[in-house]
Amino acid sequence: SQQGEEDPQALSIQEGENATMNCSYKTSINNLQWYRQNSGRGLVHLILIRSNEREKHSGRLRVTLDTSKKSSSLLITASRAADTASYFCATEGGYALNFGKGTSLLVTP
Amino acid sequence: NAGVTQTPKFRVLKTGQSMTLLCAQDMNHEYMYWYRQDPGMGLRLIHYSVGEGTTAKGEVPDGYNVSRLKKQNFLLGLESAAPSQTSVYFCASSRGTAQETQYFGPGTRLLVL
Repeated sequence: SQQGEEDPQALSIQEGENATMNCSYKTSINNLQWYRQNSGRGLVHLILIRSNEREKHSGRLRVTLDTSKKSSSLLITASRAADTASYFCATEGGYALNFGKGTSLLVTP
Repeated sequence: NAGVTQTPKFRVLKTGQSMTLLCAQDMNHEYMYWYRQDPGMGLRLIHYSVGEGTTAKGEVPDGYNVSRLKKQNFLLGLESAAPSQTSVYFCASSRGTAQETQYFGPGTRLLVL
């Protein structure tokens, strides 16, 4: 079952702007992951944040985790057209991952 | 390293036909997964395997069968295709449990007429 739910469903910004997308989940987790999917391609892992971490950075990506609110956010700074993709959060579901429905990000030049 | 590869990339089937989708990984991963992705539905887990010779059902297993005879390969079979199985199928692998990063293949687009 899909535990993570991303918000907004779609986001359109201009190059150079920051993009923020959120993920809410329902049950306790050990970690939360974010993935990117370019159109017509498979998912690519971006970042994993553990339940005892509040914030994590990777290049232009910043992920926060608030376990008390059961939510996470992904911030992409100084967006580029190449960041256009769908972004998914994923939480543990037994032996596999539960993916949300994703946020579709469009970055226009 | 090729990572995770899937064959075929695209296939058209008629209702009732059968086919097998092949997934291969060269990372010596123990865990492998099959997902389907439909518009507005995100990814849903069909079957998974925690090691050679093992398989287990996921969220939407009906109409599919799987086999993991070799550690590097995970096959997804459709015995009698239905239009509801029109979807994009993704294979993934990971070193360990759901706390590990999953590595995805490029996908197989299946159209059932």
